[in-house]
Amino acid sequence: DTAVSQTPKYLVTQMGNDKSIKCEQNLGHDTMYWYKQDSKKFLKIMFSYNNKELIINETVPNRFSPKSPDKAHLNLHINSLELGDSAVYFCASSSGTSGGGNEQYFGPGTRLTVT
Amino acid sequence: AQKITQTQPGMFVQEKEAVTLDCTYDTSDPSYGLFWYKQPSSGEMIFLIYQGSYDQQNATEGRYSLNFQKARKSANLVISASQLGDSAMYFCAMRAHTGRRALTFGSGTRLQVQP
Repeated sequence: DTAVSQTPKYLVTQMGNDKSIKCEQNLGHDTMYWYKQDSKKFLKIMFSYNNKELIINETVPNRFSPKSPDKAHLNLHINSLELGDSAVYFCASSSGTSGGGNEQYFGPGTRLTVT
Repeated sequence: AQKITQTQPGMFVQEKEAVTLDCTYDTSDPSYGLFWYKQPSSGEMIFLIYQGSYDQQNATEGRYSLNFQKARKSANLVISASQLGDSAMYFCAMRAHTGRRALTFGSGTRLQVQP
């Protein structure tokens, strides 16, 4: 009954490799997000999709490319991984209607380590 | 632009006592929501409580309450009767009710509950 799931939970890879993180939500939400949590625990939005349309694209290197095949899925592909990409990546989802609490539900996170 | 400030990097509290975690914010949005999330050592992000900018009463959820002072732009989290399981990082976050839906997070407060 997992609401927001991410795979893999841990990812260890070498510099220069390409990797993907997958996210799925079964809450019927129409908005999904990718956040990055750095080594100092600071969380920052990277991307957001609403109904498969990219609506937020923060200042993120273009080595990062999100893809939303449908409302329930949001994947993150990272090319040419660098040491500085090491972080925890969280997927989240929310109901897209404006106003109200509409809290975001977070996945368990993917800890990416680039060596 | 939105900004969240959490000035307490770390807090200690005795078990069964109450503790207040500080959060101040800045925004030009006329309508917004304030959120608190808990991140235990296991890493997941757990939604705790929400306060809308136009809500007349302070939000409460079990042992959590949000002390909202709009004029001071503060949204402090109060945890009553602390338990050992409350030891975690706590993040204050906000988002506008229209337009950009992503959360802006503070830097977090690490709470340690002592027996």
